[in-house]
Amino acid sequence: SAVISQKPSRDICQRGTSLTIQCQVDSQVTMMFWYRQQPGQSLTLIATANQGSEATYESGFVIDKFPISRPNLTFSTLTVSNMSPEDSSIYLCSVGLSGANVLTFGAGSRLTVL
Amino acid sequence: GQQLNQSPQSMFIQEGEDVSMNCTSSSIFNTWLWYKQEPGEGPVLLIALYKAGELTSNGRLTAQFGITRKDSFLNISASIPSDVGIYFCAGHGNQFYFGTGTSLTVIP
Repeated sequence: SAVISQKPSRDICQRGTSLTIQCQVDSQVTMMFWYRQQPGQSLTLIATANQGSEATYESGFVIDKFPISRPNLTFSTLTVSNMSPEDSSIYLCSVGLSGANVLTFGAGSRLTVL
Repeated sequence: GQQLNQSPQSMFIQEGEDVSMNCTSSSIFNTWLWYKQEPGEGPVLLIALYKAGELTSNGRLTAQFGITRKDSFLNISASIPSDVGIYFCAGHGNQFYFGTGTSLTVIP
């Protein structure tokens, strides 16, 4: 299985600012995803990070708010732009290993927006 | 997106008791997964199920892939305090869908 490193692990942000979360995987992976987990809730897929092309966003999520980069097969970033308190969540990077229909998750980035 | 119906929502049990939780969907899946999430961590895979009817164990954990491919259950036997956490089911068809979670508290 892949080992995923996410940073920052947590941050407290001011309203109106933006924060970029980094996700580094210890091996090349085809499928990389970003999830949001609001307090006490389940996981919601934000987007699929595609290597070398624009991310594929789920309904309710837009590129202007959550720009994603995927420059290679081991790294991705998610930016949460123009943050409001409603963006306070855990943001999770996840990878899907080819040939196995399972997801492996990073430890998450807990954002609190004041 | 679709969320799976997971029950119970929370459980408070005595150490040593057995635990059972389940997940249902209106759609069929090719894979069922069970994850555990502890505070400050991401979900960790416990068991993966790939075939309808499959029954798989991982230590004190046992999970089954329902024969209709629309449901799955997870059992934990002889619970211990470190079993505390939130358990999520997930189904995979064309994409992954997650359950609403079961919060487990084990009282020593």
